[in-house]
Amino acid sequence: GIQVEQSPPDLILQEGANSTLRCNFSDSVNNLQWFHQNPWGQLINLFYIPSGTKQNGRLSATTVATERYSLLYISSSQTTDSGVYFCAVSGYSSASKIIFGSGTRLSIRP
Amino acid sequence: EPEVTQTPSHQVTQMGQEVILRCVPISNHLYFYWYRQILGQKVEFLVSFYNNEISEKSEIFDDQFSVERPDGSNFTLKIRSTKLEDSAMYFCASSDRLAGPPTDTQYFGPGTRLTVL
Repeated sequence: GIQVEQSPPDLILQEGANSTLRCNFSDSVNNLQWFHQNPWGQLINLFYIPSGTKQNGRLSATTVATERYSLLYISSSQTTDSGVYFCAVSGYSSASKIIFGSGTRLSIRP
Repeated sequence: EPEVTQTPSHQVTQMGQEVILRCVPISNHLYFYWYRQILGQKVEFLVSFYNNEISEKSEIFDDQFSVERPDGSNFTLKIRSTKLEDSAMYFCASSDRLAGPPTDTQYFGPGTRLTVL
């Protein structure tokens, strides 16, 4: 099955800093989503982005499907951005399930 | 904004007991899913469900587990004879593709934390 690798595993930043989180995947995908898991455990949809670039406020994401990676950018970090960021993909051979990466744990210090 | 809801938010049970976790997917969605997350680990796919039958299931989803859509709004996960290692957060999700493989966004519920003692 598809392998999903996220980097870095942990990231500690000061409030106001920018960050880039990376997701590599091992095969062609027809679905790629970025999630934020908040300290209460809820999974919040950030982007559905199997290809291209999207922006939503301070967050943006780019997926280069041909090179099998996606990037999540967070600008002007706030303490509420803390949590774990997951990339999740599904492939054409098994399109109904999404495979999660191990996540990047982001800690924003005030 | 429509959202997936799950009940209960936290369930504590004794080993060997049966539990039923309940989900109300977004109303116009046709694909439904269960995932689980053991504490500190990544989210794992359990099962997908479409048109009143299982579309796909993982190796985790053995005979101990079953899913059902008992009416037009609820989607349930039953775990028979729970084990200690079933302790996890269980997430329900839904998506709104009308036909073919679902390629649209999967929306997740807030989860049910299951603790097996």
